[in-house]
Amino acid sequence: QKEVEQDPGPLSVPEGAIVSLNCTYSNSAFQYFMWYRQYSRKGPELLMYTYSSGNKEDGRFTAQVDKSSKYISLFIRDSQPSDSATYLCAMTGTGGSYIPTFGRGTSLIVHP
Amino acid sequence: DAGVTQSPTHLIKTRGQQVTLRCSPKSGHDTVSWYQQALGQGPQFIFQYYEEEERQRGNFPDRFSGHQFPNYSSELNVNALLLGDSALYLCASSLGGEGEQFFGPGTRLTVL
Repeated sequence: QKEVEQDPGPLSVPEGAIVSLNCTYSNSAFQYFMWYRQYSRKGPELLMYTYSSGNKEDGRFTAQVDKSSKYISLFIRDSQPSDSATYLCAMTGTGGSYIPTFGRGTSLIVHP
Repeated sequence: DAGVTQSPTHLIKTRGQQVTLRCSPKSGHDTVSWYQQALGQGPQFIFQYYEEEERQRGNFPDRFSGHQFPNYSSELNVNALLLGDSALYLCASSLGGEGEQFFGPGTRLTVL
């Protein structure tokens, strides 16, 4: 079993839909949770960063962390075709290491 | 302000050959991390350099080696290439090991 599990998709939604992306993890020592967006032929860029449990909102994006269930989510409201990309969850914070452990990414397609 | 740059963009090698990939960090950053991203997978940490020393290393064989120069730029060397080394190689820079990592566009390596 991998430390971080993420459904690769693809997830195809119409423009304007609410998108829910999720990851589960097995290492209870993870404390920092991140979501990256990766466009084709580009490197990942950090979207959201959350420490421990709770919610964080930034514009159309909301990140949720439930440490009791070892489950994290990213919600995208009013999705746009420009949101089409691969979304990678990542987590870190074990033993003083800040090297992120990534999920495999979910491919999102928002069609007009 | 230029972000993280990597060269070359892509290259093709044959099994058994050696390859060197290069990375220039974002201005003001002193730490460089290298990742391997196989097709359909998340980035896997190779190693991190700070003050010209390898500070952390992931689960990669000794065929993978690196170097950091006084200007903080870095090289990744892979010897005795295998077909399985075909991947996107990402460089990320940060200010210190705990800072947010900014990724470059990657170098796509194909081993035939």
